[in-house]
Amino acid sequence: DAGITQSPRHKVTETGTPVTLRCHQTENHRYMYWYRQDPGHGLRLIHYSYGVKDTDKGEVSDGYSVSRSKTEDFLLTLESATSSQTSVYFCAISADVGANVLTFGAGSRLTVL
Amino acid sequence: GQSLEQPSEVTAVEGAIVQINCTYQTSGFYGLSWYQQHDGGAPTFLSYNGLDGLEETGRFSSFLSRSDSYGYLLLQELQMKDSASYFCAVDSGGYQKVTFGTGTKLQVIP
Repeated sequence: DAGITQSPRHKVTETGTPVTLRCHQTENHRYMYWYRQDPGHGLRLIHYSYGVKDTDKGEVSDGYSVSRSKTEDFLLTLESATSSQTSVYFCAISADVGANVLTFGAGSRLTVL
Repeated sequence: GQSLEQPSEVTAVEGAIVQINCTYQTSGFYGLSWYQQHDGGAPTFLSYNGLDGLEETGRFSSFLSRSDSYGYLLLQELQMKDSASYFCAVDSGGYQKVTFGTGTKLQVIP
C-alpha cells in the first residue's frame, strides 16, 4: 500500500469550532488533494497542492483553508465548522503529471453537531 | 469549470458485460481516469486514457474519444465483487487538477 495516512479517522465536533485534518505521505509525491464525499455528490475537490507552499482552490473551497509546509504533510482546516461540512474527507496523492493516478487515504469522517 | 456526467445507477447480471458512460465538459483536458469504490472504502485507481482508443486491463477496459468528450468503462464477466461505485475523473489543468464525476453505483445480481 502507498504510504498515505489521514488523521483523525473519526471526529465529532460542535458548530463554530476549528478543525484540522492531516494527510501524511511517505511517497515523496508532488501532488496532494483534499476531497469531500457526500451522498449524491461524488467526490468534490476542495483544495489541491502541486508543491510545498503551492496550493490552489477546487470547486468547493469556501470555508476551508489548506497548508503545505513540507512535502509529506497537507493540512485541511475548517476555521469555524458548520453542519454543512459534515462529510467524509479523503486525501489523495499523485506522482505523475498528465496521468491522474491518484492514491487515496482511508478517509476521515467528520460530524459537526 | 468542469462537469462530468455519469448514470447514477446500473444493474447487471453476474457473468454479463456492463458499460458505464462518462461525458465531460472541461476547460482543459489531459486524460480520463476511472476509479472503483466499495461501500465504506476509499476509491482505488482502475485505468487511465490519455489518448483516444481502448485500454484493456484484465476484465476491465476503458475507452476515450476526445472529439466527443466521451469515455466509458467496460466490465466483462461480471462478478459479485464488482458491485461498487465507479467514478470517472478528468485531469484538466497544468497543475494536475483532478475533478471527479458523481459516480455510478453498479449492482451485480445473481
